[in-house]
Amino acid sequence: AQKVTQAQTEISVVEKEDVTLDCVYETRDTTYYLFWYKQPPSGELVFLIRRNSFDEQNEISGRYSWNFQKSTSSFNFTITASQVVDSAVYFCALSEAYYNTDKLIFGTGTRLQVFP
Amino acid sequence: DAGVTQSPTHLIKTRGQQVTLRCSPKSGHDTVSWYQQALGQGPQFIFQYYEEEERQRGNFPDRFSGHQYPNYSSELNVNALLLGDSALYLCASSPGPHEKLFFGSGTQLSVL
Repeated sequence: AQKVTQAQTEISVVEKEDVTLDCVYETRDTTYYLFWYKQPPSGELVFLIRRNSFDEQNEISGRYSWNFQKSTSSFNFTITASQVVDSAVYFCALSEAYYNTDKLIFGTGTRLQVFP
Repeated sequence: DAGVTQSPTHLIKTRGQQVTLRCSPKSGHDTVSWYQQALGQGPQFIFQYYEEEERQRGNFPDRFSGHQYPNYSSELNVNALLLGDSALYLCASSPGPHEKLFFGSGTQLSVL
């Protein structure tokens, strides 16, 4: 069964703290894609990163970094030195190559609140 | 370059009514997907349209139907509305399968 679990419902931090958002996925497919999206209060989902199952290299983009570990089926997201503008709901999502479509399976999201 | 646009922004309907939501994909994208996002939940895939045909469908009843026009714009129709259909409906487009999706700001549907 395909499933994405984001166990952290809500996280609150003070500005400049580092924060890690957890994501655990389940799939029987050997080829799949993992995504992170940010949803600010405006409602529009904003793409952050896409990873395929054959690329386990960690990635860093400015204050953002992602840790992909196939052994534990996890794809965690870390924000370094958080800022108030990072406050949003963050979604992890899975796409299976077997279905040659844009069907994404989303987790329930983690609401991040960054206080000044 | 306009991104994905959706209309209307908000909609209020009563149970049993029918609703049509509209979406224009990002320029250059020919694939449109629709998602339903209930309050406090992640988006759920409804269906995807490509070349004016439904390519894949999620676990939604036949009350949910769609259409894609030759200019790639799309409509989502929901018949016999239920209270549980109240949600944010998101449209997304992409340049190809498994590429990043570009989402619109959504249509907030309230069923009373």
